[in-house]
Amino acid sequence: QQQVKQSPQSLIVQKGGISIINCAYENTAFDYFPWYQQFPGKGPALLIAIRPDVSEKKEGRFTISFNKSAKQFSLHIMDSQPGDSATYFCAASAGGTSYGKLTFGQGTILTVHP
Amino acid sequence: NAGVTQTPKFQVLKTGQSMTLQCAQDMNHEYMSWYRQDPGMGLRLIHYSVGAGITDQGEVPNGYNVSRSTTEDFPLRLLSAAPSQTSVYFCASSSPQVAKNIQYFGAGTRLSVL
Repeated sequence: QQQVKQSPQSLIVQKGGISIINCAYENTAFDYFPWYQQFPGKGPALLIAIRPDVSEKKEGRFTISFNKSAKQFSLHIMDSQPGDSATYFCAASAGGTSYGKLTFGQGTILTVHP
Repeated sequence: NAGVTQTPKFQVLKTGQSMTLQCAQDMNHEYMSWYRQDPGMGLRLIHYSVGAGITDQGEVPNGYNVSRSTTEDFPLRLLSAAPSQTSVYFCASSSPQVAKNIQYFGAGTRLSVL
């Protein structure tokens, strides 16, 4: 049972374009939604995160859009660069005793062509 | 400051063999977790600990044992390796007291079971 569904599995964009990755979740107890970036041979690293009390969060070229009623959230990468080529994972966690336990999406392999 | 250190980086086992994947963190984080990463599956939580002496099962705990005798260390034990346990294993740590919910991942252990 995949509680967080991520799409697309792979994405190819040209340098300067916009990359968009989407996630949908089922568990309404989730209250924290991070995105992780992973380069080959490395562990995932936190990129940006959002809580459901806001609909959008922007950090530099990276923006999370959050739709609580639809139980969906997405990552937008503006002005995509070849250095952004990596695997991106959305994730979610709940509070209380589930604090720190992440449920991940399947991952999206992003390739940015120069 | 090394962060989260995993050893070994690579390991090949024969079916039925046992081994321990080591994980150590030097950030004094209370929470530590083990995930496995498989193609198309994202990262799935194996076991979880909120402090020394306290562990809990994650989504895919079968075939794995953990213990947490110190804050710093969280080893993952495979008692009788099976080919289905071929995967990349990541250890992560976090603290609700510092930078809530940000999980710091190690570089991973790539395990092959023949």
